Amino acid sequence: DTGVSQDPRHKITKRGQNVTFRCDPISEHNRLYWYRQTLGQGPEFLTYFQNEAQLEKSRLLSDRFSAERPKGSFSTLEIQRTEQGDSAMYLCASSPTTGGAFFGQGTRLTVV
Amino acid sequence: AQSVTQLGSHVSVSEGALVLLRCNYSSSVPPYLFWYVQYPNQGLQLLLKYTTGATLVKGINGFEAEFKKSETSFHLTKPSAHMSDAAEYFCAVIKSGGGADGLTFGKGTHLIIQP
Repeated sequence: DTGVSQDPRHKITKRGQNVTFRCDPISEHNRLYWYRQTLGQGPEFLTYFQNEAQLEKSRLLSDRFSAERPKGSFSTLEIQRTEQGDSAMYLCASSPTTGGAFFGQGTRLTVV
Repeated sequence: AQSVTQLGSHVSVSEGALVLLRCNYSSSVPPYLFWYVQYPNQGLQLLLKYTTGATLVKGINGFEAEFKKSETSFHLTKPSAHMSDAAEYFCAVIKSGGGADGLTFGKGTHLIIQP
């Protein structure tokens, strides 16, 4: 499968715990995006990487959130001290130089 | 900044009938426009996209959309609905060239297919 893959697909965690999600983009894509989607809403942009450089962060990305793409390939999104409001689907997407992002299946986070 | 408005959070059509999902956008620069489909508990699948060139674009599963600059619209159509088309559909816009702030999505339209 040469699509975008995300791991895990589902994560249930207790409030206050840290969680980390992984995204493996399509190998030839240099752009990688993280989005968050809550129930009944469209995805909202969180952050963007071009190769290993994080070039943009949304104001939605509080200081409890951190994303990395150390070698310009896979990326991780970490949420520290999770809150119930963090419960959402976290989507990763990759794209070539221009247009047309391809999305992974998402990681559904439930904070209890 | 870009924005997307999808008219109708829910659209219901009979199997075999025309599907029309509406999308209007605003963008300060020439946009790239996309339609995505999302099935329950799944990621988003790209249906079609407009970047440059022909304003009528054809996508997967028999869907097509027409970019109308004068109307700032990018409505999605399919001549004959199938039960498998039932899903959430999202229209999205990005600055031409691919903006660092990513895609801006509409709130989505839930398509219901009645037998």
